[in-house]
Amino acid sequence: DIQMTQSPSSVSASVGDRVTITCRASQGISSWLAWYQHKPGKAPKLLIYAASSLESGVPSRFSGSGSGTEFILTISSLQPEDFATYYCQQAKSLPRTFGPGTKVDI
Amino acid sequence: QVQLQESGPGLVKPSQTLSLTCTVSAGSISSGGYFWTWIRQHPGKGLEWIGFIHYTGSAYYNPSLKSRITMSLDTSKNQFSLSLNSLTAADTAIYYCARGSWDYFDSWGQGTLVSVSS
Repeated sequence: DIQMTQSPSSVSASVGDRVTITCRASQGISSWLAWYQHKPGKAPKLLIYAASSLESGVPSRFSGSGSGTEFILTISSLQPEDFATYYCQQAKSLPRTFGPGTKVDI
Repeated sequence: QVQLQESGPGLVKPSQTLSLTCTVSAGSISSGGYFWTWIRQHPGKGLEWIGFIHYTGSAYYNPSLKSRITMSLDTSKNQFSLSLNSLTAADTAIYYCARGSWDYFDSWGQGTLVSVSS
């Protein structure tokens, strides 16, 4: 299985801050990576797929970059509704695997 | 916009079989070539892909759970289901159903908590 790691595990930020989250894969996955946002009690939401493609309806302050084994999710200007946990997921091979999550809070 | 809703027992005894159903609305499970997916989240932990089933009936399971899983579709009810047998406390988790492509999961349910306890 491809192992996914994320850093940091949590980040404290303020509205308006730029936030970056790193995701690393245990082996090269090209651009087969997605990012999800998850708020407690809510359905997870797909933000980014294919490492850098923005899902329809997702604000442009979210962006993704990277390929191979290292990927970055950037929130350019944090908004109140962005406080959540963010997960990366590899789509290079089965079983699909997720990172452990990064919690963004105040 | 497609919506998914999980249903099933909140409490199951060890060694029993868990049966969960996902009801899909505003979209047909037999069209579009989607993969109908189950994912779980252990308390305080990350997400674990359980497996998915294509509208043609082809299913793909996580090897770590494969011997205990069966997924199925009910196109007449626009539902898909997960059966997980030989439950232990380690199966206590929030179970999510989702719609996806082969690669990514673009619509999720809100999840249902399943506790395994005697």
